[in-house]
Amino acid sequence: DADVTQTPRNRITKTGKRIMLECSQTKGHDRMYWYRQDPGLGLRLIYYSFDVKDINKGEISDGYSVSRQAQAKFSLSLESAIPNQTALYFCATSEEETQYFGPGTRLLVL
Amino acid sequence: QKEVEQNSGPLSVPEGAIASLNCTYSDRGSQSFFWYRQYSGKSPELIMFIYSNGDKEDGRFTAQLNKASQYVSLLIRDSQPSDSATYLCAVRGSGYSTLTFGKGTMLLVSP
Repeated sequence: DADVTQTPRNRITKTGKRIMLECSQTKGHDRMYWYRQDPGLGLRLIYYSFDVKDINKGEISDGYSVSRQAQAKFSLSLESAIPNQTALYFCATSEEETQYFGPGTRLLVL
Repeated sequence: QKEVEQNSGPLSVPEGAIASLNCTYSDRGSQSFFWYRQYSGKSPELIMFIYSNGDKEDGRFTAQLNKASQYVSLLIRDSQPSDSATYLCAVRGSGYSTLTFGKGTMLLVSP
């Protein structure tokens, strides 16, 4: 079984809809991250959490929110999706310096 | 603002050649430097990291760091078609707990 899982793997939604992307990990890491990846723009950090009670904004947090439900679970929400949030979303965990990425969620907002 | 710059490529090399991938960064106090490989449609995976000036070797891969020039590179010896991927440089800056990624360089290794 994969150490970092993301659901759903693909999602199509409409402008204005609320959507949640979920991430679970079995690595036992305290630190978790959400990134988005766009062609030509690389990986950009949305939010990160260093433990269950710690939530921090990243480079591009506007339009997103997160919830750290447990050490193993970190969810990303788009409260009102817009087309420019169409991207590939990655969850990651880390132990010290090494980050381990989930398989990604491909999101299309129409 | 922290910046990490990479040539987008593609960098094309023949099988068996040495591929050289380069990265520059803006934060002079940066502490840690990482190279990730990302196959098309897949998630990034760590190849290696380097903290100190000089070279660090791991199999066919060598990371080189020059903090004075704010430059880090990745050499891939005996390149194989399976090395064809996008290579992401990532930097942890001074006083920061998170990584800043470059946009990546696409490497194409032809048989």
